[in-house]
Amino acid sequence: AQSVSQHNHHVILSEAASLELGCNYSYGGTVNLFWYVQYPGQHLQLLLKYFSGDPLVKGIKGFEAEFIKSKFSFNLRKPSVQWSDTAEYFCAVNARGGYQKVTFGIGTKLQVIP
Amino acid sequence: DTGVSQNPRHKITKRGQNVTFRCDPISEHNRLYWYRQTLGQGPEFLTYFQNEAQLEKSRLLSDRFSAERPKGSFSTLEIQRTEQGDSAMYLCASSQGLAGDYEQYFGPGTRLTVT
Repeated sequence: AQSVSQHNHHVILSEAASLELGCNYSYGGTVNLFWYVQYPGQHLQLLLKYFSGDPLVKGIKGFEAEFIKSKFSFNLRKPSVQWSDTAEYFCAVNARGGYQKVTFGIGTKLQVIP
Repeated sequence: DTGVSQNPRHKITKRGQNVTFRCDPISEHNRLYWYRQTLGQGPEFLTYFQNEAQLEKSRLLSDRFSAERPKGSFSTLEIQRTEQGDSAMYLCASSQGLAGDYEQYFGPGTRLTVT
């Protein structure tokens, strides 16, 4: 069975600060990796995804994540956060092929202070 | 709006009552998933449909829960004899294709409160 661990549950940053949210997963096979974001009052949206190829993936709004297979990690980064990035961020994984059910981490609440 | 839609958005019910939620996936998406999210947690998988066939059910889905997707389009999730522990956000997601890897698109959810 898959599992996802997110290291930070609540992060507070000032605008223009750099962001890195940690994510590690556990699974014995090949995986797809995702970061989803939930802005206040909105539903889950896909921020970025990794299926295969270049382990450094770029998503919307200047976010990127790097898949490091040897560390089972998929950390999310952004060089300079904005107040509008205030949201909850979920790291997620599913097994390549198969039924594709997604296993989510507990989420990280990011608060950006103007 | 061509996204995933869910109805109702909010449901308050008394313990012991039955409730039913509806999910309309993105048109022509073959795969449909139900998840449950409780406060302070990430969404947890409940069940999966490929067209009208229910192919996987989580152990979280007790006998009081039943889901259908009768014509391979919309889906319903019914909870019988609701309990306070059923209070949660119920999320529906859909994705395209019958094979291969695709992202899932999530609906806004139905928030259930059992009093």
